[in-house]
Amino acid sequence: QVQLVQSGAEVKKPGASVKVSCKASGYTFTSYGISWVRQAPGQGLEWMGWISAYNGNTNYAQKLQGRVTMTTDTSTSTAYMELRSLRSDDTAVYYCARDLLGWDYWGQGTLVTVSS
Amino acid sequence: QSVLTQPPSASGTPGQRVTISCSGSSSNIGSNYVYWYQQLPGTAPKLLIYRNNQRPSGVPDRFSGSKSGTSASLAISGLRSEDEADYYCAAWDDSWVFGGGTKLTVL
Repeated sequence: QVQLVQSGAEVKKPGASVKVSCKASGYTFTSYGISWVRQAPGQGLEWMGWISAYNGNTNYAQKLQGRVTMTTDTSTSTAYMELRSLRSDDTAVYYCARDLLGWDYWGQGTLVTVSS
Repeated sequence: QSVLTQPPSASGTPGQRVTISCSGSSSNIGSNYVYWYQQLPGTAPKLLIYRNNQRPSGVPDRFSGSKSGTSASLAISGLRSEDEADYYCAAWDDSWVFGGGTKLTVL
């Protein structure tokens, strides 16, 4: 069965970086893209960007350009999202999702808390 | 402010039919597909409808989607208590944009 398992919760100070992993199983990793979506506490969904697991092409939300990097490791079927220069308003649950015809499978979410 | 506009709340009684609207513009809903996601409390979103009106396998046919012009709707028939959740619409607009979400309460 398709599963996306994300790394655990993180607490970071303002200005630091965080790297969240998303390990895929149950399907051919390189046949799909991975999108990252975040959700601030009590708020709606925000798309952060997409990466092709086939060739590593990326498309980032303009708002996060320059602060976010998405990568994949096809040897371990794992996607990564790194966010730098963290601010308090980056506090959110971060989700990875398999991307083809919509986001049909999601990770369980990773809470990233940015606090001094 | 969200790019797509949804009512913040909706409600219905068990067995009823409810609809949730999603209003956009020519650059998003008017020219691209609409997707709907259900988010139960404390869980990750779940894909309900893709490409305006297609249901992934496993999604009951009580859920249906439609689109007309720059607006879309999600209809839920035979409302059940387990449908109580937040519902989000999404569309492409040079990046993915969402509605602010509609909290559905089953009375």
